[in-house]
Amino acid sequence: GIQVEQSPPDLILQEGANSTLRCNFSDSVNNLQWFHQNPWGQLINLFYIPSGTKQNGRLSATTVATERYSLLYISSSQTTDSGVYFCAVSNDYKLSFGAGTTVTVRA
Amino acid sequence: GAGVSQSPSNKVTEKGKDVELRCDPISGHTALYWYRQSLGQGLEFLIYFQGNSAPDKSGLPSDRFSAERTGGSVSTLTIQRTQQEDSAVYLCASSRGSQTIYNEQFFGPGTRLTVL
Repeated sequence: GIQVEQSPPDLILQEGANSTLRCNFSDSVNNLQWFHQNPWGQLINLFYIPSGTKQNGRLSATTVATERYSLLYISSSQTTDSGVYFCAVSNDYKLSFGAGTTVTVRA
Repeated sequence: GAGVSQSPSNKVTEKGKDVELRCDPISGHTALYWYRQSLGQGLEFLIYFQGNSAPDKSGLPSDRFSAERTGGSVSTLTIQRTQQEDSAVYLCASSRGSQTIYNEQFFGPGTRLTVL
């Protein structure tokens, strides 16, 4: 399967700060998704972004498919942004997940 | 519209018992997936359905695991003779299809299985 590496593993932010999460993957993909896992364990879809750039409010993401990486930007972080962020990729149908980045936003 | 639903939300069972986990995908989604999340293994793929057919069962960890899908909708994951290492959160996802553009997967809330 495709190898997925996420960095950093942990991130502690002060409320209002900006941050960048990175996802590297080992093969070409036709699907790349970013998820936020909430405290109840639900995976919330943030972006479907196999290539290009998208923005949704304070979040944005960029995938450079030719270089096999994706970045998730969080701006003006809020305490509700805390949780685990997963990158997942696929080149057929099954998603391969990274180990996640645990984000803690302090008030 | 309604998202993916799973039941039960929690299941505690004794070693050796059989369990059934249910998934209701988003209406109209033809592709359905099962994953599990455990502390040691992270999130891992179990099985994929396109319609009622399961072309890829490669992620099922042993022959104690089986799954079916009926009417192109509801799916059931069955674990026979449960073992303690089966304890995990079992997640179901669905997508409109499996081809690019249609393959964004949406996840249910999961079933937390504890085997005593």
